[in-house]
Amino acid sequence: AQSVTQLGSHVSVSEGALVLLRCNYSSSVPPYLFWYVQYPNQGLQLLLKYTTGATLVKGINGFEAEFKKSETSFHLTKPSAHMSDAAEYFCAVSGISGTYKYIFGTGTRLKVLA
Amino acid sequence: DAGVIQSPRHEVTEMGQEVTLRCKPISGHNSLFWYRQTMMRGLELLIYFNNNVPIDDSGMPEDRFSAKMPNASFSTLKIQPSEPRDSAVYFCASSRNLGTTSTDTQYFGPGTRLTVL
Repeated sequence: AQSVTQLGSHVSVSEGALVLLRCNYSSSVPPYLFWYVQYPNQGLQLLLKYTTGATLVKGINGFEAEFKKSETSFHLTKPSAHMSDAAEYFCAVSGISGTYKYIFGTGTRLKVLA
Repeated sequence: DAGVIQSPRHEVTEMGQEVTLRCKPISGHNSLFWYRQTMMRGLELLIYFNNNVPIDDSGMPEDRFSAKMPNASFSTLKIQPSEPRDSAVYFCASSRNLGTTSTDTQYFGPGTRLTVL
């Protein structure tokens, strides 16, 4: 069975500091991996996704993530946090044959300190 | 292009009343998903449709919940009778899926915030 673990339900960083949000997955098949962002009172928006090919994936708003099969990880990073990055971030996995379901992690709320 | 459209955006109702949430997916998308988000349980998949057919409703909490997709451009999620514990934000999402696995992005609507008093 597939599952997703996001370490840290809350992360605080200073403006300009590195953002690192952790996501680990378990999957018996090659996974497809996604990061979504949710701003207050809004729906989820795709930041980036990994399906095949290059393991370093670049997304919107300066975010990127690297698929590391050996570590079963797909951590999200951004070199320099901006106040507007404050939001909740969700990691998701799909790829079970015959289903279009995503399995979402529990989310990490990012706070950016001035 | 218009994104996923949900209505109403906010719904306040009293316990025991019927509630109907509506969703219009993105044109051309063939999969539609209903999620519920609460502080306690996070984001839960309730049901999803592919080509208007319900594929997996294992997340539907109980018989009070029902969902329909009469055509490719419209879906409803109904709660009858509603209870206070149904208070949550309900999201609809759609995607275009080919083959047997999903690599396509799910596009989320803005959600309906339901409060049951």
